[in-house]
Amino acid sequence: AQSVAQPEDQVNVAEGNPLTVKCTYSVSGNPYLFWYVQYPNRGLQFLLKYITGDNLVKGSYGFEAEFNKSQTSFHLKKPSALVSDSALYFCAVRGRSYNTDKLIFGTGTRLQVFP
Amino acid sequence: DAGVIQSPRHEVTEMGQEVTLRCKPISGHDYLFWYRQTMMRGLELLIYFNNNVPIDDSGMPEDRFSAKMPNASFSTLKIQPSEPRDSAVYFCASSLGRTGGYQETQYFGPGTRLLVL
Repeated sequence: AQSVAQPEDQVNVAEGNPLTVKCTYSVSGNPYLFWYVQYPNRGLQFLLKYITGDNLVKGSYGFEAEFNKSQTSFHLKKPSALVSDSALYFCAVRGRSYNTDKLIFGTGTRLQVFP
Repeated sequence: DAGVIQSPRHEVTEMGQEVTLRCKPISGHDYLFWYRQTMMRGLELLIYFNNNVPIDDSGMPEDRFSAKMPNASFSTLKIQPSEPRDSAVYFCASSLGRTGGYQETQYFGPGTRLLVL
């Protein structure tokens, strides 16, 4: 079965400091991996994805994520956090070997950036 | 493109009433997904369509829920009769079909916030 875990319900970071939002996954074979962000009273917005190739993926708003196959992780990072980055972040996965278009979403991590 | 469009944005109804949520996917997208988001259960996939055909409805909670996609530019999610536990935010998302074996990105609408009293 496919699954994704976001072990932290909330991450707090000071503005200007680097941030990391963790995601680990479990699929059979190689994964497709996604990060989405949700601002209050809004839909989910696509940030970035890993399909193949370079393990370091760069996305919108200065975010990046690193695919680590040995650790089955896809942590979201940003070198310098902004207060406006405060939102709910979702990791999602689908295994390539699964004949479905369903993405499995994590439970979300709330990022709070303090001035 | 205007993105995925959902209506209404907010709906307040009384228990037992029929509720219809509407979605217009991004033009050219051939996949459409309906999700439900609650504090307790997080984000749940209810059903998805490919080329207007329902592919997987295993997430539909019960027979009170039904979804249709009569054409490539319109889908509805209907709850009849509605119950207070159906209160949630319902999202529609669309994507292009898989190309070259890749999983294409899903783009979400703004959601419909449903409150059943």
